Amino acid sequence: GAGVSQTPSNKVTEKGKYVELRCDPISGHTALYWYRQSLGQGPEFLIYFQGTGAADDSGLPNDRFFAVRPEGSVSTLKIQRTERGDSAVYLCASSPGPGPSYNEQFFGPGTRLTVL
Amino acid sequence: GNSVTQMEGPVTLSEEAFLTINCTYTATGYPSLFWYVQYPGEGLQLLLKATKADDKGSNKGFEATYRKETTSFHLEKGSVQVSDSAVYFCALSGSTSGQNFVFGPGTRLSVLP
Repeated sequence: GAGVSQTPSNKVTEKGKYVELRCDPISGHTALYWYRQSLGQGPEFLIYFQGTGAADDSGLPNDRFFAVRPEGSVSTLKIQRTERGDSAVYLCASSPGPGPSYNEQFFGPGTRLTVL
Repeated sequence: GNSVTQMEGPVTLSEEAFLTINCTYTATGYPSLFWYVQYPGEGLQLLLKATKADDKGSNKGFEATYRKETTSFHLEKGSVQVSDSAVYFCALSGSTSGQNFVFGPGTRLSVLP
C-alpha cells in the first residue's frame, strides 16, 4: 500500500516568506508527527496529532510555526516569516494509533526547505 | 526530559566484521526503544524495536536488547555487509501521553569490501 507522502520534495524560499509543507499519512493512521532534521543530526520532534487535535506541540520552536490537520488525515505545516535557520529537512510520520503496541512510526521522504 | 545518547561516528568496518553501536537513554516511566536506519538517498526506516525490559528486537541480522538496569539498547550484528552502510538512529517513545519520539544524533556506518 501507499506510504507516507510529502510535498513538495524540495522548497526554496526567501527570508521572510511564508511556506506550507504538506503530509499525506498512511490511510487509517490516526497519529501524525512532524519532525525537523538538520544536517548531520537526528530528527527533532515538532508536533504530534491524534486525530484532528494537536496532542503535543511542545516541539514547535516559536509562534512562526503552526500545523493543522482539519479532517484527521492530511496535515500542513506552516512557517511564517521564514529565517535562514529554518533550513532543514522536514519529516512527517504516521502510526496506527497511540500506545506501545501501535507506536511504530512510518516516515515520509521529507521536504527539504532552503531559506535564502 | 527524555534523551538518547549514541556513540559518535563515523564507524568504518571491513565486510564480515562484528558491529556494535552503543545507545543509552534517559526517560521516565517505561519507554519503547527503536533503531531506525537511513540508507543513502532514502527515508528513515524502522530496523527493530523493543517495547519492554529484556525484550530483544531483531531484523536483517541486527539485534538489540532492552536493558532497563543499564538503560541501554545497543545495536549488534555479527557480520556486516557493504549494503549495511547507512546512518543508524536510536530512538525512544515515551510512555507518557505525548507519544513523541526522541532520536539520538545518528551513527554513520561505512562497510568496506
